[in-house]
Amino acid sequence: EAQVTQNPRYLITVTGKKLTVTCSQNMNHEYMSWYRQDPGLGLRQIYYSMNVEVTDKGDVPEGYKVSRKEKRNFPLILESPSPNQTSLYFCASSLRYRGGNQPQHFGDGTRLSIL
Amino acid sequence: GENVEQHPSTLSVQEGDSAVIKCTYSDSASNYFPWYKQELGKGPQLIIDIRSNVGEKKDQRIAVTLNKTAKHFSLHITETQPEDSAVYFCAASQGNTPLVFGKGTRLSVIA
Repeated sequence: EAQVTQNPRYLITVTGKKLTVTCSQNMNHEYMSWYRQDPGLGLRQIYYSMNVEVTDKGDVPEGYKVSRKEKRNFPLILESPSPNQTSLYFCASSLRYRGGNQPQHFGDGTRLSIL
Repeated sequence: GENVEQHPSTLSVQEGDSAVIKCTYSDSASNYFPWYKQELGKGPQLIIDIRSNVGEKKDQRIAVTLNKTAKHFSLHITETQPEDSAVYFCAASQGNTPLVFGKGTRLSVIA
C-alpha cells in the first residue's frame, strides 16, 4: 500500500530536549515536505526537499532542521524545542514533474506538545 | 510570493444541499490548483485538482471551477452527505514551486 508513515504519532516532551520526527514514503517520490498545522493558520511549510541531499526552507523554518540522506526518508529535527513549536505536523511526498505540480500524499500527522 | 485566501472559514449545510468554497490567489503564474479534504485525526487527502488549461473539472458530486482572469477557483459539492463533513483546503502553485495552502474551511453537514 502506498503510504507516508510518520513516527511518533503523539509526543509530549519538555523544552530543550532534542527530538526527531521520522517520515518515510514507499512510493519512490522525489519531493518531500514538512508542514505544521495550527488553528486558524492552515498548513504552513517548514522545509522541503526536491531530491536526495537537496533541501530548502519553507515559510516557517526557524527552530527546525531536516536531512535527506535517502530518497525514502525525511526526518524533522527539533534541536532545542520550545513551547511555540507545539503543533500538529505533517509530512508529505509527491513526484516531481517539470512544468506542473503533482498531488501530494500526506502522512497522518504527529501531534507534538512542548511543555 | 503566492498568497491564497479561502472563504468561508466555516460552513454548515443541510444534508442534500450544495456547498461552495471559494479561493483567490495572487500570483498570475500559478497553474496548479488542488483541493484537499482532511478528516478528523487524518492527514489531508487530495480530492480533486485542476490545471490552468482547464476551466472546470468534475468527479461525481465534486466539481472545481477556475477563473484565471479573476484569479479565483471554487469547490462545489452537490447532494452533501454527513461523510462530507471535514476540513477542506485549497492550494496553488506554479511549476516546481511548493504549494501554498489556504487556511481551510470546516464543513459541517447536518443530517
